[in-house]
Amino acid sequence: QVQLVQSGAEVRKPGASVSVSCKASGYTFTDYFMHWVRQAPGQGLEWMGIINPSNGNTTYAQKFQGRLTMTGDTSTSTVSMELSSLRSDDTAAYYCARALADWGQGTLVTVSS
Amino acid sequence: SYELTQPPSVSVSPGQTARITCSGDALPKQYGYWYQKKPGQAPLLIIYKDSERPSGIPERFSGSSSGATVTLTISGVQAEDEADYYCQSADSSDTFWVFGGGTKLTVL
Repeated sequence: QVQLVQSGAEVRKPGASVSVSCKASGYTFTDYFMHWVRQAPGQGLEWMGIINPSNGNTTYAQKFQGRLTMTGDTSTSTVSMELSSLRSDDTAAYYCARALADWGQGTLVTVSS
Repeated sequence: SYELTQPPSVSVSPGQTARITCSGDALPKQYGYWYQKKPGQAPLLIIYKDSERPSGIPERFSGSSSGATVTLTISGVQAEDEADYYCQSADSSDTFWVFGGGTKLTVL
């Protein structure tokens, strides 16, 4: 069965960067786009961007352009998301989602001084 | 930037029918998707391509589309259906995806 296992919770100071990984199994990694979505406390779901693992092509939501980087590693079937210049309002649960149908368990990122 | 509009809240009694709408300019040419979100859990896809239901999703969940609006219908609402529901779609250029603001379903 499809499984997406994300890395553990992170705490960062404002201005720092954070990387979250998502290891996929149970399907052909390069056959499906991977999305990243986040949800801040008390807020709605927010689409961040998408990566095509077969060629590494990415599209980022305009809000995150310039400080978001998504990468894929076909040797380990893992996609990663790095967000830089963190602010307190980046505190959220971050999710990877295969074609928006199967989701990782979520990774809590806390940004606090 | 592209936006999808949902009502903030819907309330129904158990056994009744709940309808949640989602409107957006690109919906006449783009599919709508629906997710159920409960606290502490990952989102769950319940409707894709306007009206298709993934395996394992109860038949009481259905979706429809008309013009610039997609609708999620929950027939015979149960207490366990109390959750936040989000629609999602792509913009007209098929480049950017967006979620609606979410609708809190309360089962009275």
